[in-house]
Amino acid sequence: QKEVEQNSGPLSVPEGAIASLNCTYSDRGSQSFFWYRQYSGKSPELIMFIYSNGDKEDGRFTAQLNKASQYVSLLIRDSQPSDSATYLCAVNTRAGGTSYGKLTFGQGTILTVHP
Amino acid sequence: ETGVTQTPRHLVMGMTNKKSLKCEQHLGHNAMYWYKQSAKKPLELMFVYNFKEQTENNSVPSRFSPECPNSSHLFLHLHTLQPEDSALYLCASSQETGGRDGYTFGSGTRLTVV
Repeated sequence: QKEVEQNSGPLSVPEGAIASLNCTYSDRGSQSFFWYRQYSGKSPELIMFIYSNGDKEDGRFTAQLNKASQYVSLLIRDSQPSDSATYLCAVNTRAGGTSYGKLTFGQGTILTVHP
Repeated sequence: ETGVTQTPRHLVMGMTNKKSLKCEQHLGHNAMYWYKQSAKKPLELMFVYNFKEQTENNSVPSRFSPECPNSSHLFLHLHTLQPEDSALYLCASSQETGGRDGYTFGSGTRLTVV
């Protein structure tokens, strides 16, 4: 089982719709959860982070975390063509018995918002 | 300058060349990372440095040689690369390796090996 798993997509939604991106993770001890957006040929950009169970809203973005189910999601309301990008889920995981952890990235979900 | 700065932005090199990628962070972070991202593939972690010490090397070929002289600077020395090494090379930094506050990425170096 991959440490952080996302559907690679592509996920295609019409402009104005809600885009729902999902991510599951395997390390029950994970504490921090992030969503990055990456435009083609560009570097990942942090858009949301969440530490506690429940919902966290920031503008058109809502991150949802369910630690019991080991599931984190990102909702994008009123999707725009400019939201078309790859969305990376990242989770902090323990590094197999070492004293430090690391951020583990999923493979990313390609989102396309069509006019 | 602020954030994480990578130079050069683009690099074309022959298989017999030696070149270096540079990364500098102005965030006061203690950990720095090199990632490789090939076309349409996920991020691949290459190296992790924490307080200038290498803490992770993900079975990276020896033709890639990292150097971290201090917590603010990270280099990736390249020699005798192969065409399949062509990719986007991303540097990132964080306050600590656990990723509690996420990683901040530089703009990347687009490397083409000919």
